[in-house]
Amino acid sequence: IAGITQAPTSQILAAGRRMTLRCTQDMRHNAMYWYRQDLGLGLRLIHYSNTAGTTGKGEVPDGYSVSRANTDDFPLTLASAVPSQTSVYFCASSRDRDSYEQYFGPGTRLTVT
Amino acid sequence: DAKTTQPPSMDCAEGRAANLPCNHSTISGNEYVYWYRQIHSQGPQYIIHGLKNNETNEMASLIITEDRKSSTLILPHATLRDTAVYYCIVRGGAGSYQLTFGKGTKLSVIP
Repeated sequence: IAGITQAPTSQILAAGRRMTLRCTQDMRHNAMYWYRQDLGLGLRLIHYSNTAGTTGKGEVPDGYSVSRANTDDFPLTLASAVPSQTSVYFCASSRDRDSYEQYFGPGTRLTVT
Repeated sequence: DAKTTQPPSMDCAEGRAANLPCNHSTISGNEYVYWYRQIHSQGPQYIIHGLKNNETNEMASLIITEDRKSSTLILPHATLRDTAVYYCIVRGGAGSYQLTFGKGTKLSVIP
């Protein structure tokens, strides 16, 4: 089934550790996004990529990095996790950056202790 | 991008139409109105979008006022599976492509 997969589904991580959240889509979409969702705050954009080889910063990029080596994969890395990064992380993709529909993955629930 | 205002919560009886309002009084001429929803613990799902004309698809209808300062998402026959948080988002045309999610409206469909 075409769509977006994220891994892991959930993770408990000690503060200071490095962690990479994986995101893969098989729709050949050019644009991909990472959001975080915290209780009462809605979804906030962390980083985005309009096409393979390019990335950009969203609303809350500090403490996160991304790469886009190919069309399908868009990993999100926390270099040194902190408790404030406890959140649910959603990856999304769209055919192009100004396409009207973004497709979201199932999310990764991350707890930093 | 223009900000939106939505009621925090609404109830709707199963089988009845659910009418979800959104105020976007500062919307500019090239900005579209989008609606997404998020069923508990899942990623958001696109529903519909429009610029100035009313729109309808298999999921919902979108009614935009003539002055474009507000809109209403209509689910014609709400089911229990429509219980979700509904987000109204205003986004510009080419070059302004990021979605900014607010807090949305929590719709509860009651049996």
